[in-house]
This record gives sequence, C-alpha cells and structure tokens, in this order.
Amino acid sequence: EVQLLESGGGVVQPGGSLRLSCAASAFTFSSYAMNWVRQAPGKGLEWVSGISASGGITNYADSVKGRFTISRDNSKSTLYLQMTSLSVEDTAIYYCAKATGWSLDYWGQGNLVTVSS
Amino acid sequence: QSALTQPRSVSGSPGQSVTISCTGTSSDVGGYKYVSWYQQHPGKAPKLMIYDVSERPSGVPDRFSGSKSGNTASLTISGLQAEDEADYYCCSYAGAYSYVFGSGTKVTVL
Repeated sequence: EVQLLESGGGVVQPGGSLRLSCAASAFTFSSYAMNWVRQAPGKGLEWVSGISASGGITNYADSVKGRFTISRDNSKSTLYLQMTSLSVEDTAIYYCAKATGWSLDYWGQGNLVTVSS
Repeated sequence: QSALTQPRSVSGSPGQSVTISCTGTSSDVGGYKYVSWYQQHPGKAPKLMIYDVSERPSGVPDRFSGSKSGNTASLTISGLQAEDEADYYCCSYAGAYSYVFGSGTKVTVL
C-alpha cells in the first residue's frame, strides 16, 4: 500500500529555517508529481507547493514564494520542503500528497511545524 | 490564489441528501475539468472522495457524486450516514502544477 511518511517538523523561532522530508514507498515515486499542503490550527487546507515527476517544474503559493523551496530525490523516493524566514503564520500541520492526474490521491499523516519564540 | 468559496456548514438527517457548492473563477474551477473533493475527519489526513469533477476512486461509496457548471462545482451526498459527518474541501487545479482549495464545509448529521 502507498505510504507517505513526513518528518522534520518541530518548534522553530521566527526567522528560522526547517527542512521537511516525505519518504514514499509502494509506488514508482519518479513517475508522479508531488505536493505539500498545510493546515493551520483550526483552519482549512492550503496548497503550498508542487513539483513535477522529474523535478523540472515547481510552483508555490504566493504566501511562501521566495521563502520555501520544494525538491525531490527520485533515487531515494523522497520529497523535501526547505522552509526559511519562518513566521508564526507558517505554524501548521504540513502534509505531503501524491498526485495522480490532477488530484491528490494519497496523503501522509502530517507533520506539525510550530513557529514560536 | 484566493480560496474557493464554500458554505461554512450544511446539515441533514440520516438518509437525506446534502449538496456542497464550491465557487471559483475561470482561472480555476471554470477553466479545468480537474475539481476534486476531500473528506477530513478530526485529527486525520484528508481523503480523496471525488476527482476530475465527477469520478469516484475505488472504495468510495456511490452516495458521493460530483458535478460542475461554469465556475461552480458541487458535491452531493445522498443517503446521508453518520460516518459522513466531517469537513469537506473542494480543490481545483489552477495550472502549472498549482492548486487552490476551498474554504471548507462542515457536514453535520442531525
């Protein structure tokens, strides 16, 4: 069964950096686009970033553009999200999600990032 | 990249039908046949319920159906059951590997 396991979350001070990872298994990782979606406490889902199967195309929500970088290592079946200049507004559960076509068919369990002084 | 507009809440009795609307623009909902719907129970990850406007993934009950007209998509739950009580989010592909989610709708089974 498809599994997506996020790691790397935790508590970070405002202005700090953090790198999230998402280890994928049970599917051909290099054949699928991947995404990061976040959910602030008590709020709705917000798409954060997406990357094509090869890694050659990336895109970002305006709220994170210039601060976050999505990448992938297809040899390790792992997706990454490098987050810099973090603010309290970035506090959220971050999910990685696999795309099939243009829908998100499998999601990880989520990883909490807390930005606090 | 403004969130798609959904009603904050809808409710219905067991066995009834409820419909959730999702309104966007010609740059997202109206421009693509790629609207999807996600169910989220408290403390859980979202689950894909509908993709490509009206397609159901394997394992999703046929009580769930989707449609679209212009810039508005809809999710209908027929024969409402207690386990359908959850938050529901629409999502539209918006081009260049980007997406926009709806604001979310809480479905309450009375």
